[in-house]
Amino acid sequence: AQSVTQLDSHVSVSEGTPVLLRCNYSSSYSPSLFWYVQHPNKGLQLLLKYTSAATLVKGINGFEAEFKKSETSFHLTKPSAHMSDAAEYFCVVSGGTGGFKTIFGAGTRLFVKA
Amino acid sequence: ETGVTQTPRHLVMGMTNKKSLKCEQHLGHNAMYWYKQSAKKPLELMFVYNFKEQTENNSVPSRFSPECPNSSHLFLHLHTLQPEDSALYLCASSQDSDRGNYGYTFGSGTRLTVV
Repeated sequence: AQSVTQLDSHVSVSEGTPVLLRCNYSSSYSPSLFWYVQHPNKGLQLLLKYTSAATLVKGINGFEAEFKKSETSFHLTKPSAHMSDAAEYFCVVSGGTGGFKTIFGAGTRLFVKA
Repeated sequence: ETGVTQTPRHLVMGMTNKKSLKCEQHLGHNAMYWYKQSAKKPLELMFVYNFKEQTENNSVPSRFSPECPNSSHLFLHLHTLQPEDSALYLCASSQDSDRGNYGYTFGSGTRLTVV
């Protein structure tokens, strides 16, 4: 069985400060992990993905995430927040074959203060 | 543009109306999906099509009827909807629904309001 938990429903940061959005997963298989971003009234856009290659994954717009198997975590970070980063972020786990599921987290709303 | 186009962007319909949502992709993907996104609820998978065949129906009420005439087009036919069906309906595509490491490309969604 697979599951994904986004540990914060809301995160608020000031512009120019670091961003940390936390995600923990559970999977019986070697998972693929993704982060998506959704701006208001838009669809979801793929930020980055981990598929068993390098554990530190770099994505678009300066975001990166680190796969930590021992902690079953895949936290999303960015060194310096921009106002345009204000959006909802979804952590997603997919895994295995022959019955794998893609599970979306509940989302974390990121607020960026000027 | 993401490569997945949904029309219309907004739709208001009465409970007795019949309408259809359309999704189109020209990414060469073989799998297409319908998701429902309601306020304060997780994203809900509705239907999955892989190589034009429906592979998943996530206990969706029969007032929602999907159609996938080819790998590039996906429709969601709506009839006798309820106000609680008001939501953002998202279409997505991926290379193959049997392999989970590709990720999805989403359309911008159709904002549906049932009155």
